[in-house]
Amino acid sequence: EAGVTQSPTHLIKTRGQQATLRCSPISGHTSVYWYQQALGLGLQFLLWYDEGEERNRGNFPPRFSGRQFPNYSSELNVNALELEDSALYLCASSLAQGHTDTQYFGPGTRLTVL
Amino acid sequence: AQSVAQPEDQVNVAEGNPLTVKCTYSVSGNPYLFWYVQYPNRGLQFLLKYITGDNLVKGSYGFEAEFNKSQTSFHLKKPSALVSDSALYFCAVRAADVASFGAGTTVTVRA
Repeated sequence: EAGVTQSPTHLIKTRGQQATLRCSPISGHTSVYWYQQALGLGLQFLLWYDEGEERNRGNFPPRFSGRQFPNYSSELNVNALELEDSALYLCASSLAQGHTDTQYFGPGTRLTVL
Repeated sequence: AQSVAQPEDQVNVAEGNPLTVKCTYSVSGNPYLFWYVQYPNRGLQFLLKYITGDNLVKGSYGFEAEFNKSQTSFHLKKPSALVSDSALYFCAVRAADVASFGAGTTVTVRA
C-alpha cells in the first residue's frame, strides 16, 4: 500500500511569490491535514480537509489556503511569501475524521523563501 | 483547549540502556494520545497510540508507552535502546477536532 506522497520535495521561491504544495493521501483516506514544521518550533497545525470541505484551520494568516479535490488529494497555497514561511510542510491523512484515527504523514515539502 | 509538553529537548543514552521520553498533556475530556518518530529529512512515522483500555500500550520497533491519568502523562519507553533509535520524537494529543503536537525530543543513542 502506497503511503502519503507529497510534491515537490523541495521548492525555492523568492519573497512575495506564491507557492503551491501538493499531497496525495493513502488510498481510502478522506481526511487530509497540513502542518508547518519550522526549525525549532515543532509541528504547527495549518489546515484540515475532509470530504472536500475545510473543517478547521490553525492560527495562520489567510494567505495560507488550500483545497481538497474529489479524489481526496489536496493542495496548499501560500501567497505573498515571507522569509519566515521557510519550513518543512507536512501533509498527513487519516481514514476518517474521528479523534482516534491515526494520522499518517508524508515525507514533506521543504520550502525555502529567499 | 488542549496542549502537550515534552519537558526535555534532548535525551542521551548509551546503547543497551533503557530509554524514556517524557510527555505530559492537558485536555478537557478523554485524551487520545500518540507517539511519532521523525528521522532526518523524513516525515513522521507512527509508533503507537492510546485510545482506551490497558494503560500500557505496545508499538512499533519495541517501543511502549504508559498512560497515567492521574499524572496526565504518556511517557514513551524502550527497555534497551539501539543506535538506530536516534531521532526526533513527538508526542501528540487529540481530544478535539485536531491534534496538538509537542515540540519534540531529540534522542541520541551512543554506541
